[in-house]
Amino acid sequence: AQTVTQSQPEMSVQEAETVTLSCTYDTSESDYYLFWYKQPPSRQMILVIRQEAYKQQNATENRFSVNFQKAAKSFSLKISDSQLGDAAMYFCAYRSALSQGGSEKLVFGKGTKLTVNP
Amino acid sequence: DAGVIQSPRHEVTEMGQEVTLRCKPISGHNSLFWYRQTMMRGLELLIYFNNNVPIDDSGMPEDRFSAKMPNASFSTLKIQPSEPRDSAVYFCASSLEQARETQYFGPGTRLLVL
Repeated sequence: AQTVTQSQPEMSVQEAETVTLSCTYDTSESDYYLFWYKQPPSRQMILVIRQEAYKQQNATENRFSVNFQKAAKSFSLKISDSQLGDAAMYFCAYRSALSQGGSEKLVFGKGTKLTVNP
Repeated sequence: DAGVIQSPRHEVTEMGQEVTLRCKPISGHNSLFWYRQTMMRGLELLIYFNNNVPIDDSGMPEDRFSAKMPNASFSTLKIQPSEPRDSAVYFCASSLEQARETQYFGPGTRLLVL
């Protein structure tokens, strides 16, 4: 079974600075997807960014980018120019690709609480 | 377009009562997922449907939980009888057939069982 580990329960960053959230995962599959979701105090789960394992290029969405290291099974999220609205819980998630025949379910890490200081 | 719609947003009930949570997926989405979030266990899948058919219900905790998807635009998660340990936030998510790797979440239902 796949597992996702987020080793940083809490992180803090100064407004306008850059922060990196860590995520590692364990899988024997070669094809899969990785995600970062944001959960603000409203508890809504918001997709931040996704990465296909077969793509070597790291995904980028505006101020959010990932560092995907497939061999190391590492998938970190970098937030540049942090804003007060970035304060939230961030969850890393794994999903098997359909080609692997596995479940479509998302496997989540425990989350990292990000605080943005003004 | 409207996102995933869940109702009620909050539910407070007493132990032993029946609870029904409802979900309307995004129009055109073929897969629907029910997740539960607790402090102890984090976010975990309960069950998911593809084209209204249950595919993986291995996360359903016990017989007290049941889920249905009578049509493409509606699903229910029922707990009968409810227990205090069922208190959690229940999320519904849906995904599009052509892009089933990306799931979009509803706002969640916060359930408190007294």
